[in-house]
Amino acid sequence: AQTVTQSQPEMSVQEAETVTLSCTYDTSESDYYLFWYKQPPSRQMILVIRQEAYKQQNATENRFSVNFQKAAKSFSLKISDSQLGDAAMYFCARLQGAQKLVFGQGTRLTINP
Amino acid sequence: SAVISQKPSRDICQRGTSLTIQCQVDSQVTMMFWYRQQPGQSLTLIATANQGSEATYESGFVIDKFPISRPNLTFSTLTVSNMSPEDSSIYLCSVESAGFTFGSGTRLTVV
Repeated sequence: AQTVTQSQPEMSVQEAETVTLSCTYDTSESDYYLFWYKQPPSRQMILVIRQEAYKQQNATENRFSVNFQKAAKSFSLKISDSQLGDAAMYFCARLQGAQKLVFGQGTRLTINP
Repeated sequence: SAVISQKPSRDICQRGTSLTIQCQVDSQVTMMFWYRQQPGQSLTLIATANQGSEATYESGFVIDKFPISRPNLTFSTLTVSNMSPEDSSIYLCSVESAGFTFGSGTRLTVV
């Protein structure tokens, strides 16, 4: 099975600090998409950032950036200047084929004021 | 990106009954996706719905249990049939739009 693994069930960070969430994946495809989603208690899945595997440049969206290591099949999310509103479950996902998202088990992020 | 309206947002149902969940998209999309999120778990794809054809189900999900309708390019329903407590989950619909956009989810509790 082609899986996505998030090895950190829970993480916590002080407000205004930086935190990195880990994700590794398995795939036999050479071109694919990777995503990070945020799910607050409202249960809405919110797209945080996405990365196309053929692009070597790491994606960045404001305070969110990724460290994409294709050879290592690693896709970590860095959140800078953490804010209380960043508290949520974070899911890493890989697009399998053209339409199926395969999700990791999630990391619960707590922001300490 | 597309905006999805999903309803109901939550429901409590008796075992043995059925619940139909609706998703309305503000633009035409070819495919709509239905996911299940069991308590404390990640999301699992149930099926992919194309307009004008039968939905394609993932391993472990069958049409008799999760019938899907896709009458047009902006709307789809998922029915959870003959429910048992094991069906208690969050159900989400999704479309591909600047990444994948999700509805707000339906929290189903079966008692």
